[in-house]
Amino acid sequence: KNEVEQSPQNLTAQEGEFITINCSYSVGISALHWLQQHPGGGIVSLFMLSSGKKKHGRLIATINIQEKHSSLHITASHPRDSAVYICAGLYNTDKLIFGTGTRLQVFP
Amino acid sequence: DAGVIQSPRHEVTEMGQEVTLRCKPISGHNSLFWYRQTMMRGLELLIYFNNNVPIDDSGMPEDRFSAKMPNASFSTLKIQPSEPRDSAVYFCASSFSGSQPQHFGDGTRLSIL
Repeated sequence: KNEVEQSPQNLTAQEGEFITINCSYSVGISALHWLQQHPGGGIVSLFMLSSGKKKHGRLIATINIQEKHSSLHITASHPRDSAVYICAGLYNTDKLIFGTGTRLQVFP
Repeated sequence: DAGVIQSPRHEVTEMGQEVTLRCKPISGHNSLFWYRQTMMRGLELLIYFNNNVPIDDSGMPEDRFSAKMPNASFSTLKIQPSEPRDSAVYFCASSFSGSQPQHFGDGTRLSIL
């Protein structure tokens, strides 16, 4: 069964803290997407990676293929980072299987 | 650059009525995806098209749901007849190919009374 599991489900942090969200996935998934969904509901693709590490601003995504594990890190977190972060595994080159999401709240 | 455009943004209708959701993908993208998001089940793929051809509709809940893509710039998702359990946010997304990052529309929030 193709699965994507995320942790934690909920996360609160003080502004400035370093944040890590984890994602584990099963065999058959060829790449990992990280998505961000703001309270207004819109979904934005943050990263797609199949190996190594990618960085965009204060966001860093890593993937370990052997361990079938990916992490999303946010450095120097800010209240505007508050959102739901969703990892999704790319299966069969074109189907996304979604994790349940991590609700992040960053307080000033 | 216009992103993926969905309409309507909100739809409230009574059960039994036909509902049509619309999506205009980003120009040049040849893959289009329809997703449904609920509190209970999160995001789920309903169907996706590649070059206007449906590739996988295994996520379509039942025969009441149908989707079409008559050309590269337009797709519809239809529910007939609608039921209260169809209430959800429906997202459309497009990409250059299935393996490229997907761009999501703002979604249609559907409420079936």
